Amino acid sequence: EIVLTQSPGTLSLSPGERATLSCRASQTISSTYLAWYQQRPGQAPRLLIFRASSRATGVPDRFSGSASGTDFTLTISRLEPEDFAVYYCQQSDKSPLTFGGGTKVEIK
Amino acid sequence: EVQLLESGGGLVQPGGSLTLSCAASGFPFSSYAMTWVRQAPGRGLDWVSGISASGSTTSYADSVKGRFTISRDNSKNTLNLQMNSLRAEDTAVYYCARDFLPRLVFQGGPFDSWGQGTLVTVSS
Repeated sequence: EIVLTQSPGTLSLSPGERATLSCRASQTISSTYLAWYQQRPGQAPRLLIFRASSRATGVPDRFSGSASGTDFTLTISRLEPEDFAVYYCQQSDKSPLTFGGGTKVEIK
Repeated sequence: EVQLLESGGGLVQPGGSLTLSCAASGFPFSSYAMTWVRQAPGRGLDWVSGISASGSTTSYADSVKGRFTISRDNSKNTLNLQMNSLRAEDTAVYYCARDFLPRLVFQGGPFDSWGQGTLVTVSS
């Protein structure tokens, strides 16, 4: 099973700051099969990024994704109040599909 | 508008059974693979099961294999999850979600539409 390790566990930032979230895979996976989700409190997850760097419909362009080997990064260029949430990465390259443990972005 | 509405959650004793349903609307249900993902209280996302668009192929997480059965009724636009031999560690909010693209096989995501979830509590 591919383990996705997200870091940091919690990121404390202020609105307007840049957020950089990491997701490291335990084995090589194709970037085609790496996605990012946002989950606000009390809500269902929302797809943000697919194929490591493609934004889903309606996702603001302050969200971007990148890949380098087994390392994947979600960047939020300037945090808006609604961006404070938990973010998960997910791989579907190898069965079983797996999620990372999540990174909470909280207001500093 | 794509809508997924889960139902069937509740309190059940260890060893008991429960069936969850997910009513889909706003898209050609029979063209999309579907999945169940759960989230224990205060924890992260945990994949449970997936099913192909026709229902002919299913897959399960090891933690539920042999106890849970996923199925779908494309004539009624409904996804189901039959859960048997429930354990305390199955306590979670269960979400149904739609595959990102209309394709016949269950690819494992990504998942672009999610229901609001239904809570399953396994406790005596």
